[in-house]
Order: sequence, then C-alpha cells, then structure tokens
Amino acid sequence: KAGVTQTPRYLIKTRGQQVTLSCSPISGHRSVSWYQQTPGQGLQFLFEYFSETQRNKGNFPGRFSGRQFSNSRSEMNVSTLELGDSALYLCASSLGGRQGGEAFFGQGTRLTVV
Amino acid sequence: AQSVTQLGSHVSVSEGALVLLRCNYSSSVPPYLFWYVQYPNQGLQLLLKYTSAATLVKGINGFEAEFKKSETSFHLTKPSAHMSDAAEYFCAVSGGIGGGADGLTFGKGTHLIIQP
Repeated sequence: KAGVTQTPRYLIKTRGQQVTLSCSPISGHRSVSWYQQTPGQGLQFLFEYFSETQRNKGNFPGRFSGRQFSNSRSEMNVSTLELGDSALYLCASSLGGRQGGEAFFGQGTRLTVV
Repeated sequence: AQSVTQLGSHVSVSEGALVLLRCNYSSSVPPYLFWYVQYPNQGLQLLLKYTSAATLVKGINGFEAEFKKSETSFHLTKPSAHMSDAAEYFCAVSGGIGGGADGLTFGKGTHLIIQP
C-alpha cells in the first residue's frame, strides 16, 4: 500500500510569509503527527491530530498550527516565517490506538526561509 | 517528562565489525522504545521497537536491541557492519512531551560511519 506522502518536497519562502505543508497518511491511519528536524535541535514534536482533533501539542509558538480533514489528510501552517523556521518537516501516520503503535514517516518537506 | 540520550553523535566502525549504538532513556512509566534510521534527504524508517513483549528485539537489516530496565538502556547492535548501514540513527520513546498515543521523543541521533 502507498506510504505517507508529503508535499511539496522542497519550499523556499521569504521571511514574514506564511506556508502550508500537506501530509497524506497511509490509508486507514487516523493519527497524523508533525515533527520539525533541525541540525541544532534535532527532531522535535509539533503536534498530533486524531480524527480531526488536535490531541497533543509540543512546545512551539502559536505561529505553528495544523488541521486534519475527514479523510485524515493533514496540513501544517506556519505564519510570519522566521529564518529559524528553516528545517525538514516530517509527518508521521499511525493507526492512532494504544501507545507504542508504529509510526510511519513521510520523506519530509524541506523548508528554507530566506 | 520522558527523555532519550544517545551517547556519541558520531560512531565510526570498519566494514564487518560490530556496530553498537547507545541509547539511555528516562521514563516514569513503562516505556515503548524505538530505533529509527534516516538516510540523507529521506524520512525515518523504523528498525525495531520494544513494547514489553520481549527484552531482546530483532529488527530489519540484521539489527537488534536489548531492553535493560535496570540500566534504563536500549542499545542497538549489529554483528557485522555493511557499507549500506551508513546513516543517522535515532532512538525514541513513546508518549513523550506531547503525550498522546503516538507522540515520540527522540534522541539527538548518532551518525554511523562505515570505514571500508
């Protein structure tokens, strides 16, 4: 079956702009999580959506937001971009049940803010 | 809060030698532990996971890890390194900062270098 699909793969934006990233989970998966990966901070949890509801949120400013649609696809939005937002953004999908369930990752969207 | 510490940001081994990547965790509840691998410009691929069924966990590509509660460790090993093993390896614990069923807290990663 198809894996997790993230679009676009690469983005270049200017400071102050906003950006929307998309994630299509594996068919049947109801949980989508987002992570930011940078050389300095490593992999950091942004938020998780389950059945269109944000279930958990990491320690990021309100400029970072997301949503999930009824088909489980998810979008992540970053407003008023800063240079420090340059990162690889990874989406992971899982069934969303008990803890320990396997999370499948997409290839990521590399965002560069100039 | 849960945390993961990976000892050694870079590990270099010769092809055919033993691979040992270290991971220690901190958790107030029985943890679910994972090892992921990341190749350049790619997402993360699950190597193996510990979910309390067995302390010695076998994964893909010949990797295995042993859960040791007394040492709060979950080290990753492979008997014989192959050039294709060169990648970034991440240890993760479930139910971390974000809580929730599948939120993961990752270690900083270990870059594995294979010398020919």
